[in-house]
Amino acid sequence: GAGVSQSPSNKVTEKGKDVELRCDPISGHTALYWYRQSLGQGLEFLIYFQGNSAPDKSGLPSDRFSAERTGGSVSTLTIQRTQQEDSAVYLCASSISRGGNQPQHFGDGTRLSIL
Amino acid sequence: AQKVTQAQTEISVVEKEDVTLDCVYETRDTTYYLFWYKQPPSGELVFLIRRNSFDEQNEISGRYSWNFQKSTSSFNFTITASQVVDSAVYFCALSEASHGNAGNMLTFGGGTRLMVKP
Repeated sequence: GAGVSQSPSNKVTEKGKDVELRCDPISGHTALYWYRQSLGQGLEFLIYFQGNSAPDKSGLPSDRFSAERTGGSVSTLTIQRTQQEDSAVYLCASSISRGGNQPQHFGDGTRLSIL
Repeated sequence: AQKVTQAQTEISVVEKEDVTLDCVYETRDTTYYLFWYKQPPSGELVFLIRRNSFDEQNEISGRYSWNFQKSTSSFNFTITASQVVDSAVYFCALSEASHGNAGNMLTFGGGTRLMVKP
């Protein structure tokens, strides 16, 4: 497709379960970003990939969060032992390069609800 | 540290009114980029505009215009003759050129919810 694709669009799971969120960036975009949008915290940066590598993971809120990107394309964000405070919309964005002047294009997000 | 403030959490106008959304930013970098995004009820963040720190020229695109003033660290967004379809949450965001290993992450303001009534 032409835009950033995220799946699933909605995910409801029980506290303590692991979840995996997927992002398929725009073809040819080398930079990929994960953000989280929640009522209390607004839009927060989580992690950035340039190609397959993530030089800085300090935005991840805890060690239960991890992310990987393979083949310079699809990325997965994994949350282990989910907690209720993990409930949020997880947004993925991609840009053609890592330059700050490059606009980031966002997917529709995954709405995660932890019961 | 970089910071973006959108003091107006919610604005309500009647169709055809003009409305200005305020954005104030903080950064220590001399080179940075400012963005506005629109988030309609469907949820997707839609890119509207990018402005470089070294270009203070105002910009107009149809009913939209942006006023960038470095002296007051502001990047305000005006919608002229608002329409119901303009109803959305609007986010101002900042990216610093020298953010090292975090790439060019966006720091967002809290957003302004604009409601345009018919």
